[in-house]
Amino acid sequence: NAGVTQTPKFQVLKTGQSMTLQCAQDMNHEYMSWYRQDPGMGLRLIHYSVGAGITDQGEVPNGYNVSRSTTEDFPLRLLSAAPSQTSVYFCASSYSIPLGPNYGYTFGSGTRLTVV
Amino acid sequence: DQQVKQNSPSLSVQEGRISILNCDYTNSMFDYFLWYKKYPAEGPTFLISISSIKDKNEDGRFTVFLNKSAKHLSLHIVPSQPGDSAVYFCAASAMGAGGKLIFGQGTELSVKP
Repeated sequence: NAGVTQTPKFQVLKTGQSMTLQCAQDMNHEYMSWYRQDPGMGLRLIHYSVGAGITDQGEVPNGYNVSRSTTEDFPLRLLSAAPSQTSVYFCASSYSIPLGPNYGYTFGSGTRLTVV
Repeated sequence: DQQVKQNSPSLSVQEGRISILNCDYTNSMFDYFLWYKKYPAEGPTFLISISSIKDKNEDGRFTVFLNKSAKHLSLHIVPSQPGDSAVYFCAASAMGAGGKLIFGQGTELSVKP
C-alpha cells in the first residue's frame, strides 16, 4: 500500500516553462487536494477535488490547473512557471470529508519546485 | 485574508514541561478543527482533532481545547519530549465546504533535553 505518491521529488524550471506535478493514491480516496508550503505562509490550498470529474479552486489557484479523470490521479499543471511559484507542493487525499482521525487527509512527501 | 492564524512562528520548551500551541480563526462556519505535525522533508501527519460541539479532546499526551466564543483553539502536549520537535499546523474545515481544509501558518516547536 503506497499511500499518496508524488513525483518528481525535486524540480528546477526556467521562467515560462510548463510542467505537471504528479499525484497518485491507491487508497480509493474520493477527496484530493493540492497545497503549497511557503515560509511564514503555512499550507495554502491551491485546488481540490471531491471525486472524479469534479474540481474546485482553493485559496491560491492562479497559475495552476488541475483535472481529475480518475479516482487515483490528481495532476497539478503549471502552464507558465514564474519565480513566485517556487515552493514545496503537497498532494493529499482523504476517503471522505477530511474531518477526524478516520477521514483526515493523508499527505504525500512533497515536491520541491524551484523556478529560476 | 488568513482565516486560520497561528501567530507564534516558534516555541521552545524544556523536555518534560508543557507545550502550548495556539490557533485563532475568523470564519464562524468552521465546525471541525485538526492539528497536523510535520517533520522536515516529510508530509504533514494527522495528530488530533475536535468537533465544534466539544470543547476538549484528549489523546494520550495531546489535548486540544476549543473556545468557540473566542474563536480560539490550543494544543497542549504534556509532557513534552524531544521527538515532539516539529512544525505544528492548525487546520479548519466546514461541513458545507466539501473537501476544503484551511491551514494556519504553522508553529515550529523545539523541545530541548
